[in-house]
Amino acid sequence: KQEVTQIPAALSVPEGENLVLNCSFTDSAIYNLQWFRQDPGKGLTSLLLIQSSQREQTSGRLNASLDKSSGRSTLYIAASQPGDSATYLCAPAGGGYQKVTFGIGTKLQVIP
Amino acid sequence: SAVISQKPSRDICQRGTSLTIQCQVDSQVTMMFWYRQQPGQSLTLIATANQGSEATYESGFVIDKFPISRPNLTFSTLTVSNMSPEDSSIYLCSVEDRTGDSGNTIYFGEGSWLTVV
Repeated sequence: KQEVTQIPAALSVPEGENLVLNCSFTDSAIYNLQWFRQDPGKGLTSLLLIQSSQREQTSGRLNASLDKSSGRSTLYIAASQPGDSATYLCAPAGGGYQKVTFGIGTKLQVIP
Repeated sequence: SAVISQKPSRDICQRGTSLTIQCQVDSQVTMMFWYRQQPGQSLTLIATANQGSEATYESGFVIDKFPISRPNLTFSTLTVSNMSPEDSSIYLCSVEDRTGDSGNTIYFGEGSWLTVV
């Protein structure tokens, strides 16, 4: 059974800092890995998807890397802004529909 | 991409009552998925809803408590029956898009935040 751990559980940084969120998973037989953002009381917004054959994906100030063999992914946020404050979840997916496992997430607070 | 609308976005419910959550997708999808997120927890898959057949429930979830309908390829409902305070959660509808160049991307609705009093 896939288990996902995200470290740190919470993070508070001043505006403008670069930061790294970590995700580890126990079963490396994944199809892809997706990073989501969740605002309080809301649904999830997809940020980046990395296929198992890829090493990284970039979207704006976000960069996600994947080391499938070691069961790790990182989300790098450059020049953080208060609007980045949210909970970030990683979700590795196995084969088949919705064989997705979510971590509890990293709660990020960017202080103006 | 897929745009998913959920209703209601938020509700306060009395113990013992039932509430139906609606999920509308802007494109036809084979499968729709319902998740629960209890306070401070991650997402847990409740069931998978196929059009024209009964939903498939995950361990710990039963049809009597969480009946699901899937009348067509763009719509589904989840009912939370005989609610108790333990059912206070965010309920999320999800679809998986396998048509794009980026692979099977998962999309979520905005969620329905239920508080049972």
